[in-house]
Amino acid sequence: QVRLVQSGSEVKRPGASVKVSCKASGYIFRNYGIGWVRQAPGQGPEWMGWINGRDGHTNYPQKFQGRVTLTRDTSTSTAYMELSSLTSDDTAVYFCARDYDFTWDTWGQGALVTVSS
Amino acid sequence: QTVVTQEPSLTVSPGGTVTLTCAPSTGATTNCHYPNWFQQKPGQPPTTLVYRTNNKHSWTPARFSGSLLGGKAALTLSGVQPEDEGDYYCVLLCDGDWVFGGGTKLTVL
Repeated sequence: QVRLVQSGSEVKRPGASVKVSCKASGYIFRNYGIGWVRQAPGQGPEWMGWINGRDGHTNYPQKFQGRVTLTRDTSTSTAYMELSSLTSDDTAVYFCARDYDFTWDTWGQGALVTVSS
Repeated sequence: QTVVTQEPSLTVSPGGTVTLTCAPSTGATTNCHYPNWFQQKPGQPPTTLVYRTNNKHSWTPARFSGSLLGGKAALTLSGVQPEDEGDYYCVLLCDGDWVFGGGTKLTVL
């Protein structure tokens, strides 16, 4: 079955960067995009961007441009989200989701990133 | 920046019917498309229920249906079950960016 398995929780200092992985299985990785969404404690989700599984093309909302980098490794069917210049406002659960046909049908389990001094 | 508005909370009786709505801020209506609806339980990732306004995934219970009502995206639950209690989020594609609503906390009481 289709699965997305994310890396584990991280604790980072302000100003640092974090890289979260999302390993896909059960489908042809290159045929789908991967979207990234984060959710701060007690808040609603927030879209962080999208990467095309085939050619690596990315799209970021203006809020995250310059601070988020999405990449993928087709040889391992893994997508990555790197967020730099972390502040306490970046404390959140980060989700990846399989993207196709203007929807996300399968979600990773989420990765908690805590930013604290 | 488009803002997407949902009812903050709704309460429904078991077996009843409830409609949740999702609307972009004034002026952005024509630039927002492809509504999706998600259900989220505490400590879990979202589950996508409806996409592109009214399309269901294979796991979406039949009692959930999506539509457009008066220009707003809508999610209707008919014959509500206790397990439907949770948070519901919509998302719209507005000018190339996905924008989530603030969510509706649905209580089944």
